[in-house]
Amino acid sequence: ETGVTQTPRHLVMGMTNKKSLKCEQHLGHNAMYWYKQSAKKPLELMFVYSLEERVENNSVPSRFSPECPNSSHLFLHLHTLQPEDSALYLCASSQVAGVQETQYFGPGTRLLVL
Amino acid sequence: KNQVEQSPQSLIILEGKNCTLQCNYTVSPFSNLRWYKQDTGRGPVSLTIMTFSENTKSNGRYTATLDADTKQSSLHITASQLSDSASYICVVEWGSARQLTFGSGTQLTVLP
Repeated sequence: ETGVTQTPRHLVMGMTNKKSLKCEQHLGHNAMYWYKQSAKKPLELMFVYSLEERVENNSVPSRFSPECPNSSHLFLHLHTLQPEDSALYLCASSQVAGVQETQYFGPGTRLLVL
Repeated sequence: KNQVEQSPQSLIILEGKNCTLQCNYTVSPFSNLRWYKQDTGRGPVSLTIMTFSENTKSNGRYTATLDADTKQSSLHITASQLSDSASYICVVEWGSARQLTFGSGTQLTVLP
């Protein structure tokens, strides 16, 4: 495995529910990312945390709220989602360094919003 | 518009055959180009990463090429195996803010 774990792997929720996705990296990296992957579409970067500070938001709706309590953990809090938010949510981590920085991805959480 | 276009969208080949996947980009200024492999239900895994000065890089049976002048990259898979069935994603890093633009991927299916 890549050293990045995500839970849960699958989640079904109603539009009025509140849930959280969890990501943990065991690689000693200093940056973590949330991506959304919808069918037939490119990966969309949602949030970036570098050294535990958010550095990019990318105009993500406020119903998605990230939290990065330390360099190893990243959460995505979900509230009042819409059916179009159903997708694979991928977490990644990297060591911010020079030009050849590689992101390591977790297995993703498959989210279905009913 | 800064884009990364991949072709073909999908590809089916027989086990043991070679194939080449294409990636064209328009982003600027270019920093590096990465190829990822994503198995169904899994996160992407890095295959290669190339900077402006590199025009070829290999990782086992995978060989990536980069032509920074024409803004084209290819990923060549030699002697394909069933386990090569996956989506192959081209990602370009660009700009001073180190933005990443992802292609939509090529879905490769290797049949026995």
